[in-house]
Amino acid sequence: KAGVTQTPRYLIKTRGQQVTLSCSPISGHRSVSWYQQTPGQGLQFLFEYFSETQRNKGNFPGRFSGRQFSNSRSEMNVSTLELGDSALYLCASSLAPRQGGNEAFFGQGTRLTVV
Amino acid sequence: KQEVTQIPAALSVPEGENLVLNCSFTDSAIYNLQWFRQDPGKGLTSLLLIQSSQREQTSGRLNASLDKSSGRSTLYIAASQPGDSATYLCAVGGGNKLVFGAGTILRVKS
Repeated sequence: KAGVTQTPRYLIKTRGQQVTLSCSPISGHRSVSWYQQTPGQGLQFLFEYFSETQRNKGNFPGRFSGRQFSNSRSEMNVSTLELGDSALYLCASSLAPRQGGNEAFFGQGTRLTVV
Repeated sequence: KQEVTQIPAALSVPEGENLVLNCSFTDSAIYNLQWFRQDPGKGLTSLLLIQSSQREQTSGRLNASLDKSSGRSTLYIAASQPGDSATYLCAVGGGNKLVFGAGTILRVKS
């Protein structure tokens, strides 16, 4: 059974550009969450999608957005990149929203460097 | 607002030692608690998931306990090996997101 797949694995972008990251969840999983990991702030929740709807959003500016497709694949977009957006972006999938306490499985992440 | 704290921040032990990693959280209204392992530059590998109604879970040399009322969890690693060297993260599940601790960096020396 394939795990969570994130593409691309590495990205280098220039300040002011925009970027799109992709996440394919484990087959059968319908909930996808995104997290940002930085040395200073640790792992922080960005947003969660279930059935193509954003269910919850973390404390990030509107430059961070996402969407989920009917096949549960998800993308996140960051516009007008800033140096501080450099981070490891991690995607997690689970069977359904976490009310039932479902286990979260993470991908290998996308390492974004903004120069 | 849920806050998760992990102690110690770093730990270095000789191979073969048994060790305990600690995790505490401020809000006991949780659905579950999950322990992860992260190797440098990699994603997170799920180690153990404890539902809020459970007291402990075991997988191989790993045992995790949960005391929801006191807001604490421990991860016990038996007979540590150099391959156990990694960052161990505790995450509390509530609502639609996980809240993570800062992690414990473990180094097992051969």
